Amino acid sequence: GIQVEQSPPDLILQEGANSTLRCNFSDSVNNLQWFHQNPWGQLINLFYIPSGTKQNGRLSATTVATERYSLLYISSSQTTDSGVYFCAVERDNYQLIWGAGTKLIIKP
Amino acid sequence: SAVISQKPSRDICQRGTSLTIQCQVDSQVTMMFWYRQQPGQSLTLIATANQGSEATYESGFVIDKFPISRPNLTFSTLTVSNMSPEDSSIYLCSVEGSGDETQYFGPGTRLLVL
Repeated sequence: GIQVEQSPPDLILQEGANSTLRCNFSDSVNNLQWFHQNPWGQLINLFYIPSGTKQNGRLSATTVATERYSLLYISSSQTTDSGVYFCAVERDNYQLIWGAGTKLIIKP
Repeated sequence: SAVISQKPSRDICQRGTSLTIQCQVDSQVTMMFWYRQQPGQSLTLIATANQGSEATYESGFVIDKFPISRPNLTFSTLTVSNMSPEDSSIYLCSVEGSGDETQYFGPGTRLLVL
């Protein structure tokens, strides 16, 4: 089956810093999504990005499908960005395969 | 988009008992998904629930342990049966948004089994 690897597993940054999170996947996928899980457990979809680049405020994402990776950029980090960031790729029937996540802590 | 609610939000249960989790969506959806997230772990798909048919379970999950109902296009339940401490997890339901190909998640049910 498809393997999804995220790096780094943990990241601690000072407020205002920028960060790049990476997601590698082992095979062609139908699509790729980035999610943020806040400290209370709520999962929010950040990007649906099977290829190309998208931006939403301080966040942007790039997927290079031919090279099987995606990057999530967070600029000018805020404490509310803390949580776990998951990458998930879609196989058949809309079922997602999840990476292990990157735990991000933003210190004030 | 889709707005999803789950009940209960959290519960503490005794081993050997069962808990039924409800998932309500604000729009009609074809497929609903049930996930388990064990402490500090990623999400694992339990099953896919389609209205009018039996749920499709992933490897390692069986209907006797996790029976699912899907009586209509906006509602589903997941029962965690004969619970043990290993069932302590967050249980989440999700749906695919209509027309936008993203998945939306409920707030989750935090279950602690003693």
